[in-house]
Amino acid sequence: DAMVIQNPRYQVTQFGKPVTLSCSQTLNHNVMYWYQQKSSQAPKLLFHYYDKDFNNEADTPDNFQSRRPNTSFCFLDIRSPGLGDAAMYLCATSRALAVGETQYFGPGTRLLVL
Amino acid sequence: DAKTTQPPSMDCAEGRAANLPCNHSTISGNEYVYWYRQIHSQGPQYIIHGLKNNETNEMASLIITEDRKSSTLILPHATLRDTAVYYCIVRVAHTGTASKLTFGTGTRLQVTL
Repeated sequence: DAMVIQNPRYQVTQFGKPVTLSCSQTLNHNVMYWYQQKSSQAPKLLFHYYDKDFNNEADTPDNFQSRRPNTSFCFLDIRSPGLGDAAMYLCATSRALAVGETQYFGPGTRLLVL
Repeated sequence: DAKTTQPPSMDCAEGRAANLPCNHSTISGNEYVYWYRQIHSQGPQYIIHGLKNNETNEMASLIITEDRKSSTLILPHATLRDTAVYYCIVRVAHTGTASKLTFGTGTRLQVTL
C-alpha cells in the first residue's frame, strides 16, 4: 500500500562525504518534491521536478542536487554534507492536472552528519 | 502565497472536538486553504482543503468565514492519535502547475486523556 517510499529511513554520513537519498512512488504522479525539515522547524521546499523539468528554490544551496531518472524515482544528492545539513528529508508527490491537487508525503529520511 | 497565523499550541481532551483556528487575512480570491498535519517523526499528511465553502471529509471539517480571512479545522472527536502539528497553508492552485507548499509554524495539538 505504500505510495511514497523513502529509503533508508535513517542515514548516517561523515562530514564532507557525498550522500544520496532516494524516493520512489507508485502513484504515477508527474511532480516530485524534496523538502528539508530541521529539528523543531517546519518543512522547507528545496526543489521539485515537474516531469523532467527541474525547479530549484532560490535559496537552496548548491550543495544540494537532484536527479529524476524516470517517473517513479527521484534522488537527493548532497555533495559535501555539513553538520548543518543534519535534518529530516521529505519526499512528496502530486499531480499537476487538477486544481486543488494535494501532496502525498513519504515517511522521510533522517540524515545524521558526523 | 498568503501568509497564515496559527496559535503555537492547543490542548484537547480525548473525545471532545478540537477546533484549530487559522488567520489568513491577506488571502486572495484564487487561493485555497489547505490543512496538513504531521505526527511526530512522520511525513506530513493531507487533511482537507477548501476555497469558499465549508468542507467535510472522513477526517475533519473545514469552516471558512464568509470574508475568507480566517478558517477553523474541526476534528469532531479527537483521539490520542490526533496529537500532531497542524499546518494551515494558503496557496494558489492552478491546473498544470506544481502544488508547492510553504509551511508556517503550525499548531501543536496535544490530545489528553
